[in-house]
Amino acid sequence: GENVEQHPSTLSVQEGDSAVIKCTYSDSASNYFPWYKQELGKGPQLIIDIRSNVGEKKDQRIAVTLNKTAKHFSLHITETQPEDSAVYFCAASYSSNTGNQFYFGTGTSLTVIP
Amino acid sequence: DADVTQTPRNRITKTGKRIMLECSQTKGHDRMYWYRQDPGLGLRLIYYSFDVKDINKGEISDGYSVSRQAQAKFSLSLESAIPNQTALYFCATSDSGAWGTEAFFGQGTRLTVV
Repeated sequence: GENVEQHPSTLSVQEGDSAVIKCTYSDSASNYFPWYKQELGKGPQLIIDIRSNVGEKKDQRIAVTLNKTAKHFSLHITETQPEDSAVYFCAASYSSNTGNQFYFGTGTSLTVIP
Repeated sequence: DADVTQTPRNRITKTGKRIMLECSQTKGHDRMYWYRQDPGLGLRLIYYSFDVKDINKGEISDGYSVSRQAQAKFSLSLESAIPNQTALYFCATSDSGAWGTEAFFGQGTRLTVV
């Protein structure tokens, strides 16, 4: 099965600085890579995703890059704000008409220091 | 109202007791999942179902069972709870389709087995 590794497990940055979280995956068949943000006491929520036919996607202050050859993808948050503090999960999925499973990384606890 | 609703939100139970966690969704999705979250281990898949007649084991299904009562309902049972099943449990749904579609999570059920 798929194996997703995520680093770092904890990350502290000053407000306004950038944060980068990196993930690797093992199954070259994976074709969908979402990133989730989990705030305290809540379920994970999608913040950005990327499909295997593109290399980069950006949405305001967040961006994701995908390197299929190296099997790694990264989340970039610029101009961090205190409300960005949360746990972030990457995931890899092989999607088809018959079904899909999501394999998650172990999470990164991001703290933005005001 | 939440699109994915889990009940109960919190539960304390004794070792050896049977317990059921329930999940219902209003998103009309065919695919439903049960995950377990433990500190440092991320989200691990327990069971998943791609339609009402489909049930599949995930990576950590031992000690658990599920029932897909309807498209909108997917319940997780612990037949004889043990302390190492103490964790945060999440139900999720996703739409069907060849390309990746995001998973929508419930608010979680915090289960403590004493």
